[in-house]
Amino acid sequence: EVELVQSGAEVKKPGESLKISCKASGYSFISYWIGWVRQMPGKGLEWMGIIYPGDSDTIYSPSFQGQVTISADKSISTAYLQWRSLKASDSAMYYCARQNTREGWFDPWGQGTLVTVSS
Amino acid sequence: QSVLTQPPSASGTPGQRVTISCSGSSSNIGSNTVNWYQQLPGTAPKLLIYNNNQRPSGVPDRFSGSKSGTSASLAISGLQSEDEADYYCAAWDDSLNGLYVFGTGTKVTVL
Repeated sequence: EVELVQSGAEVKKPGESLKISCKASGYSFISYWIGWVRQMPGKGLEWMGIIYPGDSDTIYSPSFQGQVTISADKSISTAYLQWRSLKASDSAMYYCARQNTREGWFDPWGQGTLVTVSS
Repeated sequence: QSVLTQPPSASGTPGQRVTISCSGSSSNIGSNTVNWYQQLPGTAPKLLIYNNNQRPSGVPDRFSGSKSGTSASLAISGLQSEDEADYYCAAWDDSLNGLYVFGTGTKVTVL
């Protein structure tokens, strides 16, 4: 069974760094793109970017370019989303999802990681 | 911001048919396939329709999708209480080196 399991909820202060993870199982991790999606409280879905773990090719949404870093460690089948300096506006639920082809759909999705940034 | 426009809400009584529209442009829906996602309250989104009108295994045939030009639609026939959720359309956009765009989302309420 294809499954994505994300790391647990985080509570951080503004200015702190953070790296959340998405561990894949049940398929060849290096053969599929993985994407990250943000959902702010009470709001819709926003595509942040994708990574191809096979060669670490990464594409960012212009809205998130420079704000976050997407990476992957193929030795442990895990993708990451990282912030160098968090802001209160980064508080949101973050989902990872497998992309079936370079321009295909996202399925399945991880359960989500809630990030709260507050002083 | 979302470039695919959906109505904020839709509703129906059990057994009714509900339709959700998704309006885009030539760079997204007009040139790429449309996917639909269902997000039940407090849960992660789930793929509902892919490639405009294909249902993944396990999705009831009450759900159907269609596309015409730069617009798409999701129809729910025989509405059930468990269909109460947020629904998002999505498509790849050929502008800016390719990015995935979601619709604004539609909250479906079963009356």
